[in-house]
Amino acid sequence: KAGVTQTPRYLIKTRGQQVTLSCSPISGHRSVSWYQQTPGQGLQFLFEYFSETQRNKGNFPGRFSGRQFSNSRSEMNVSTLELGDSALYLCASSFAQGVAYEQYFGPGTRLTVT
Amino acid sequence: SQQGEEDPQALSIQEGENATMNCSYKTSINNLQWYRQNSGRGLVHLILIRSNEREKHSGRLRVTLDTSKKSSSLLITASRAADTASYFCATLYAWGGGADGLTFGKGTHLIIQP
Repeated sequence: KAGVTQTPRYLIKTRGQQVTLSCSPISGHRSVSWYQQTPGQGLQFLFEYFSETQRNKGNFPGRFSGRQFSNSRSEMNVSTLELGDSALYLCASSFAQGVAYEQYFGPGTRLTVT
Repeated sequence: SQQGEEDPQALSIQEGENATMNCSYKTSINNLQWYRQNSGRGLVHLILIRSNEREKHSGRLRVTLDTSKKSSSLLITASRAADTASYFCATLYAWGGGADGLTFGKGTHLIIQP
């Protein structure tokens, strides 16, 4: 079974721009969660989608948004990029809703904001 | 905010030795999970232990959970160079139902010397 895939793997954007990251979960997995990883804050939960609906949301500003499609693929969008948004963005999938189950992570998208 | 805190922050041992890392958390949990991350890549799920379990094994890995002390430990026996990685514990609040997603600690960086 193919693992979780994320595209693109690396991205450089300029402050003020917006960016869209994509995540394809493992086949059959319906839950997709997004995390931000930075050296200072570590790994932080952004949001979780299940059956095209956002089920849970972390403590991030409204500039961070996401969506999930009927095939369970998910995208996250960050608008009006700030330097502090530079991070590794990880997506994870699981079969059932909620993060009470083991999460399968993708390789991440490394975003650099200049 | 960080729920789990790993200790030590870094650990260097010789190949073949056992490695033990600890995780402490602050509030009641539904489950606790351990993940491994190699050099800024995606996370790999190692073990999930539920709040009503005390010990779990998986190959060379042994995880214990002491809910009275709000702590967990991960033991890697007979370490190998390939075990060099960062190890994170992640907790799910007992009442959150996933509302905050998984909360990760800052991790223990393990280096296995050949």
